[in-house]
Amino acid sequence: GEDVEQSLFLSVREGDSSVINCTYTDSSSTYLYWYKQEPGAGLQLLTYIFSNMDMKQDQRLTVLLNKKDKHLSLRIADTQTGDSAIYFCAENGYRGSNDYKLSFGAGTTVTVRA
Amino acid sequence: GAGVSQTPSNKVTEKGKYVELRCDPISGHTALYWYRQSLGQGPEFLIYFQGTGAADDSGLPNDRFFAVRPEGSVSTLKIQRTERGDSAVYLCASSLLRADTQYFGPGTRLTVL
Repeated sequence: GEDVEQSLFLSVREGDSSVINCTYTDSSSTYLYWYKQEPGAGLQLLTYIFSNMDMKQDQRLTVLLNKKDKHLSLRIADTQTGDSAIYFCAENGYRGSNDYKLSFGAGTTVTVRA
Repeated sequence: GAGVSQTPSNKVTEKGKYVELRCDPISGHTALYWYRQSLGQGPEFLIYFQGTGAADDSGLPNDRFFAVRPEGSVSTLKIQRTERGDSAVYLCASSLLRADTQYFGPGTRLTVL
C-alpha cells in the first residue's frame, strides 16, 4: 500500500527549531512533499525533494530523506508564530501504467508558543 | 490566474440535494485533481483529469459523485442526493503534467445538514 504516517502534534517555543517526521511505505516514490495548511485554507506547497536526494535546504526549511528507512523529516529553523499550522507529508508513488498518485499523511499540527 | 481557484468557498445544503463545486486550475496545467479532506485527515484522492478526460476516477466513493472538465480547463464536481457523510472540504489541485508538483486551491467546505 501507500501508507504515510506522521506524528499528530508538535509544540515548540518561538525561536527554537521544529522537526516534523514522516514515514512512508511505497518504495516507488519519486518525489516527496511537504505542504502547509493554515486554518480554513487550502494546502500551500512548502518544499519537495526528489527521491535520489538526501537533503534539500530552502531558507529556514531543511528536508532530510532516508530512503533506506523510508523516513522523511522537515526542520524549520527559528520557528515563528506564523509557522503554526498543519503540515502534511505526501509521497508521489508510481502505481503502474504511467500512473502516479499523491498520498498524504494525516498531518502534524504544529503549535508555536511564545 | 495566479493560482488554483475554487467556488464557492462554503456551501451549506440539505440532505438529498444536488451540489456543484467548481475548480479553475492554473492556466496551462493539463492535469487536474479533486480530493476530499475530512476533519483531522489528510486529503484523499477522488479523481484525476488529463485534459478533458477522467483518466482515473478510482477514488470516487460511489455513483452519486461525478466530475467533468469539458474544455480541459475548468472542472465541476457534482454530488447528487447529498448525505451528511459527504460533509468535508473538497480540494482541487492542478499540475503542469501528470507526475508534476500539484498546486492546491483554497477548497470548498461542504456542509450537509
